[in-house]
Amino acid sequence: NAGVTQTPKFQVLKTGQSMTLQCAQDMNHNSMYWYRQDPGMGLRLIYYSASEGTTDKGEVPNGYNVSRLNKREFSLRLESAAPSQTSVYFCASSEQQVSYEQYFGPGTRLTVT
Amino acid sequence: DQQVKQNSPSLSVQEGRISILNCDYTNSMFDYFLWYKKYPAEGPTFLISISSIKDKNEDGRFTVFLNKSAKHLSLHIVPSQPGDSAVYFCAARARGDGGSQGNLIFGKGTKLSVKP
Repeated sequence: NAGVTQTPKFQVLKTGQSMTLQCAQDMNHNSMYWYRQDPGMGLRLIYYSASEGTTDKGEVPNGYNVSRLNKREFSLRLESAAPSQTSVYFCASSEQQVSYEQYFGPGTRLTVT
Repeated sequence: DQQVKQNSPSLSVQEGRISILNCDYTNSMFDYFLWYKKYPAEGPTFLISISSIKDKNEDGRFTVFLNKSAKHLSLHIVPSQPGDSAVYFCAARARGDGGSQGNLIFGKGTKLSVKP
């Protein structure tokens, strides 16, 4: 069991470039999440998918799009990267949306210059 | 406005002593609270949790206390070990808030350093 995996681990983008962060879980979880972590800001929810086929905005969705490709995979897309999107991105999953805990991936460190 | 607050950005403790990490919340609709531990360059990992119907939960060296009237919870680590040095996040689960029901709201974290 790999748990939650994320690719890539590191990425450097120029302003205006686009990219997709990939996330997959092998725990047969229904719900998946994308967070960003900035220094002194804790973890903030970008988007979530309560179940396959649904996605919803979290606290900080602007500048991002998501796709729940299937039950295992949930991707985060930056269409036109901005320096304000420099952050560490974490994907997480849970059995249900109303669940006891979320399981996190190792993170993607993104720098936008 | 922050619904989950960890007012101490850092805490330094001697090995073998007790570490106490604090968390305050404002939303009375929170029904479940969790603590996550995060090492550098890794994702957060679940540590311990407590339901709003309890006031204490213990797991080995880790104990979480909940004071609902004060909207305050704390994590006690006894005895503290150098391997406990990490950032600790408090999180709360919202109940009955429509589509976002069940989502976690995180505090900003407290960096614990346990010195040998």
